[in-house]
Amino acid sequence: TQLLEQSPQFLSIQEGENLTVYCNSSSVFSSLQWYRQEPGEGPVLLVTVVTGGEVKKLKRLTFQFGDARKDSSLHITAAQTGDTGLYLCAGGFMEYGNKLVFGAGTILRVKS
Amino acid sequence: DAGVTQSPTHLIKTRGQHVTLRCSPISGHKSVSWYQQVLGQGPQFIFQYYEKEERGRGNFPDRFSARQFPNYSSELNVNALLLGDSALYLCASSFEDSREKLFFGSGTQLSVL
Repeated sequence: TQLLEQSPQFLSIQEGENLTVYCNSSSVFSSLQWYRQEPGEGPVLLVTVVTGGEVKKLKRLTFQFGDARKDSSLHITAAQTGDTGLYLCAGGFMEYGNKLVFGAGTILRVKS
Repeated sequence: DAGVTQSPTHLIKTRGQHVTLRCSPISGHKSVSWYQQVLGQGPQFIFQYYEKEERGRGNFPDRFSARQFPNYSSELNVNALLLGDSALYLCASSFEDSREKLFFGSGTQLSVL
């Protein structure tokens, strides 16, 4: 059983559509990060959320952290082809010290 | 400013061989972490070093080892390579001894034949 589950695994949408990606755990996150990774590159940090109920916006991207700090979502408004990539959530857990646990990721493909 | 640099970018080895992967962190960053990313999965934590001391170790066999040098660069060594070691190996640096605000390099793609 994965410590951290992401859904959906794959998403293919048309340019202009909205989408939401989810990240869930049965354990409480001490912090949670969202990354975007393009083929042949390392992940790039998009946002870090720490406080339960926190909402952060980055242009067309909205990140929410659940009140209980066990789940998070990434919502993209009016997706563009440049949003195509692998979206990863990564959680910090108190019992795992300094280790950052990554989800398996959501592959997003935005078609023109 | 240069980001995290990793070398080599690609590597092909055969089973049983040994490999050394290298990482230079962002200038001023004292912490280096290593991750393994198998195709279709998220990165898996291997090691973290801070100020040349090991701060964390993931669930990997003893064939995997690492070290950090006085200039904060790092090496990851893998002995007795197996086919299953084929993956993208990512290095990430951060300023503090923390999992927050990691900056990743582009990785080394290792293929074991």
